[in-house]
Amino acid sequence: GAGVSQSPSNKVTEKGKDVELRCDPISGHTALYWYRQSLGQGLEFLIYFQGNSAPDKSGLPSDRFSAERTGGSVSTLTIQRTQQEDSAVYLCASSWDGLNSNSPLHFGNGTRLTVT
Amino acid sequence: AQTVTQSQPEMSVQEAETVTLSCTYDTSESDYYLFWYKQPPSRQMILVIRQEAYKQQNATENRFSVNFQKAAKSFSLKISDSQLGDAAMYFCAYRSANIGQLTFGSGTQLTVLP
Repeated sequence: GAGVSQSPSNKVTEKGKDVELRCDPISGHTALYWYRQSLGQGLEFLIYFQGNSAPDKSGLPSDRFSAERTGGSVSTLTIQRTQQEDSAVYLCASSWDGLNSNSPLHFGNGTRLTVT
Repeated sequence: AQTVTQSQPEMSVQEAETVTLSCTYDTSESDYYLFWYKQPPSRQMILVIRQEAYKQQNATENRFSVNFQKAAKSFSLKISDSQLGDAAMYFCAYRSANIGQLTFGSGTQLTVLP
């Protein structure tokens, strides 16, 4: 694809509901990253995939958050029993090679999640 | 753990003038990479420029250049001949040579005045 694609673009959900956020990385990119950006804040790292495995999931804020990646491509970030503090923009990025730090990250437009 | 600090939450510059955005970082590593990303209202993060720590020469991309001071752990971004389209949030980011993800600063909101 032309770039990293995220869906939905915006999501409004009620407190306590589960949500799934999707990321389609650039074709051929082996590394995939999830970040969270709260209003007016910087980017907070959540999880990193190399292929289908997640060597670093240290940024997931609680066990309500989980992510998976299948076929070395699409990734889904799931938030269970959403809370108002989960409201943020969730950004996905991919890179050609996560083990090569010179390989730049390409970001999607993010999903804006609002928990009411 | 590495930290990245951007001490200027907001900056403004007149169109066609030059502006410098500051960034400092803390690390005990000797091999790493530094990046500046731009985030316009569309939310998409766009890579502006990158610097390898082992290179002494400062990176340059058209109107964008960096002043990399490794001993001082400083990595500032200079935008020359500022244009209205440069208005955005700018993030400084650090990446270890051994770790995949980026660590970001809190950002600087740049306004370009016509």
